[in-house]
Amino acid sequence: KQEVTQIPAALSVPEGENLVLNCSFTDSAIYNLQWFRQDPGKGLTSLLLIQSSQREQTSGRLNASLDKSSGRSTLYIAASQPGDSATYLCAVGGSGGGADGLTFGKGTHLIIQP
Amino acid sequence: DVKVTQSSRYLVKRTGEKVFLECVQDMDHENMFWYRQDPGLGLRLIYFSYDVKMKEKGDIPEGYSVSREKKERFSLILESASTNQTSMYLCASSQPTGLAAWGSYNEQFFGPGTRLTVL
Repeated sequence: KQEVTQIPAALSVPEGENLVLNCSFTDSAIYNLQWFRQDPGKGLTSLLLIQSSQREQTSGRLNASLDKSSGRSTLYIAASQPGDSATYLCAVGGSGGGADGLTFGKGTHLIIQP
Repeated sequence: DVKVTQSSRYLVKRTGEKVFLECVQDMDHENMFWYRQDPGLGLRLIYFSYDVKMKEKGDIPEGYSVSREKKERFSLILESASTNQTSMYLCASSQPTGLAAWGSYNEQFFGPGTRLTVL
């Protein structure tokens, strides 16, 4: 059964720093990998989706990479801002063509200090 | 700009009641999903549907059922609510193939969640 682990569980950094969030998964037979942001008490906002054939995706100050063979993904946040404070979730789609739901990590709780 | 909506943000029910959670998406997506989120356990898949009237069990289907009579609507039903079903419930949708009007194919979009408390 697929397991997704996110390290660190929590992170607090000063504003302006570049940071890396890590995600690992046990079964490399994934269809895609998606990074989300969740604000307290709210739903999930999709940040980046990487298909299994891709190595990375970029959106603004965010860059996500995928190494399927080693079962790892990283989310890089450049020039962090207080508004980036949230919980970041990594999720993988199984080999069922993406129609069979995502397996989530438990998230990294990020605090950006002004 | 609303894409996935859920019928209630907060809901309080009593043990034994039948509870309906409704989810509607306006992106014409074929796939829809129900998850629950609990502290320390993360998000877990309850049920999903890849077509109207089709449903598949996820990782934790016990105590739940679903209904999908129309493409845009996916309902989660708690036949007899119990206190251990107190949780945050999140609905999502995705488009499985080809070009998606919203996002990339298989990108999941989530609703705002329903926080259910069963007393």
